[in-house]
Formats: sequence, C-alpha cells, structure tokens
Amino acid sequence: GQSLEQPSEVTAVEGAIVQINCTYQTSGFYGLSWYQQHDGGAPTFLSYNGLDGLEETGRFSSFLSRSDSYGYLLLQELQMKDSASYFCAGMNRDDKIIFGKGTRLHILP
Amino acid sequence: EAQVTQNPRYLITVTGKKLTVTCSQNMNHEYMSWYRQDPGLGLRQIYYSMNVEVTDKGDVPEGYKVSRKEKRNFPLILESPSPNQTSLYFCASSSLRPLLLGEQYFGPGTRLTVT
Repeated sequence: GQSLEQPSEVTAVEGAIVQINCTYQTSGFYGLSWYQQHDGGAPTFLSYNGLDGLEETGRFSSFLSRSDSYGYLLLQELQMKDSASYFCAGMNRDDKIIFGKGTRLHILP
Repeated sequence: EAQVTQNPRYLITVTGKKLTVTCSQNMNHEYMSWYRQDPGLGLRQIYYSMNVEVTDKGDVPEGYKVSRKEKRNFPLILESPSPNQTSLYFCASSSLRPLLLGEQYFGPGTRLTVT
C-alpha cells in the first residue's frame, strides 16, 4: 500500500535550522501537507504543497518534488516551543488521506 | 470561530457496549474524516466522507460505522467496542477546493478506553 516515510526523531539546537524529510513510495498524492502536534494536543495544520516547489509561512517552509516523491519541512530560528511531533500527509487518488508515522523534534537549549 | 468539536473528550467503557462519538464542524467543509492515533503508528484514517450521504472506508474501518446525514456532523459509532479499539480518536474536516485541499482542521480528540 501507499506509505509516507519520515525519520522517527530529529534533534536540533535552539536558534538553528532543521529539515524534516518525507518520502513516499508511490505517486498519486494530490499534494503534501504538514502538521504539528504537541504532547496531549491535536494536530494543527502548518503547510500544504499542492504543486512542486517551495511554500513559505513565517519560520516554516515546505517543499515538494513529485518527480522525486519527496518533500520536506524546514523550520528556521528554532524555539523551544517547536518541540513537538511533525507529520506529513497526502490525499491519494482514492480520496483517502495517508499520514506518515511522525517525526519527534527535540530541541536543545 | 472556525472549529471542529468532538464529544466526549474522555470515555471509559466496557466491551460490547455500543457508543457514539460526535463530531461537528462550523466551516461548511465537504470532507470529514475520523482517525485513530496509537503510539508508533501515527494517525490512521478510519472512515471519510466527501459530502452528505457519501462515506467510504479508510485504512482501518473494521469495527466502526459512520454516517453523514448533515454536512456539519459526522458521528463515529462503535457497535460492539473491544479492547483493541482503545485509542485516541480525532475528527477532522477540510474544504475540497483545490488550494485548500491539504488543510485539515482537527477536533480536540477523544481518548477512549475499552475494558
């Protein structure tokens, strides 16, 4: 079946830049979305790439390359409050939404 | 305020006792989903609905039912809950307009324990 792969954990330093990658095994997603989830909370929408290229929203940017079946989320000027889990997700041609298993971001002071 | 609401937020029940988790959104969204979240497995789609009276199975539909009689509501029904349905459940909604397709709004979650 279709799946989205992302690293289980990433560690970075406060103030730095971190990139979280997401690769998928098959084509056929309408685009790629990114969500943030703090412990005990609900996922919140961060960014959506409906087309190839870079989308920028404040400190967060997201990139998609359909030809490489690859996307990433870039977080700049990391703050301690960015410590959370990050999920990529896509809607496939059957209108189902598939999520990656999530990347836990640890930020060191 | 644009929001998705779910009730109850916490529920402890026993095996076999039918239950319903309600979900409502006030954004006139066409697409609604139910997910379960388990440690290490991420979010898995249970059922989704493209619009009123249109529902379809997600990746893990066994043991669940849904209905979409009104655009704003999308209840999740467990006819005979079992312990393996103990999980954190999220309802979500999104527009089907192309530029908004990937932007889902999530409810606060329902933590269900089946003993």
